[in-house]
Amino acid sequence: DTGVSQNPRHKITKRGQNVTFRCDPISEHNRLYWYRQTLGQGPEFLTYFQNEAQLEKSRLLSDRFSAERPKGSFSTLEIQRTEQGDSAMYLCASSSSGTGHYGYTFGSGTRLTVV
Amino acid sequence: AQSVSQHNHHVILSEAASLELGCNYSYGGTVNLFWYVQYPGQHLQLLLKYFSGDPLVKGIKGFEAEFIKSKFSFNLRKPSVQWSDTAEYFCAVKSAGGTDKLIFGTGTRLQVFP
Repeated sequence: DTGVSQNPRHKITKRGQNVTFRCDPISEHNRLYWYRQTLGQGPEFLTYFQNEAQLEKSRLLSDRFSAERPKGSFSTLEIQRTEQGDSAMYLCASSSSGTGHYGYTFGSGTRLTVV
Repeated sequence: AQSVSQHNHHVILSEAASLELGCNYSYGGTVNLFWYVQYPGQHLQLLLKYFSGDPLVKGIKGFEAEFIKSKFSFNLRKPSVQWSDTAEYFCAVKSAGGTDKLIFGTGTRLQVFP
């Protein structure tokens, strides 16, 4: 499968713990995005990278959230001191800039449950 | 700020019925528009997109959407739905030439009964 891969698929954690999610984009895609989706809502933008540069961060991304894409390939999203309100599906997507065929490819997501 | 409204939260149809899902956006500049579909247990997939040109856009699986600039709308249509179209549908907007993020609507859940 050459799509966007996200790990783990599910994560249950206790409030106050740190969690880290990984996203492996399509190899030829230079842009990578993180979104969060809660029940009954559409995906909400969190942040995106072009290569290793983080170009935009949403105000939704509090100080407890950090994302990295160190070598311009895979990315990690870390949430520190998790809260119950962080429970959501975290989606990763990738795309290629400059091709004229804009459209994200989404991964299956990581479902986080904070108990 | 950009926003997207999908007024139909839940639509129930019988097979062969026609479908129209509403999408209105709020943005004063040039936009790119998208419809994504999420089948049960699967990831979001692109149905169709509009960048420029012919405002009637055809996508996969017989779906089409019409961009009406004066109404800030991008409604999704299908003449005859199938049970396999049961899914959640999301409209999204992006500022053309601007930031690369997509703004999604809240989605419309479509249930098609045989």
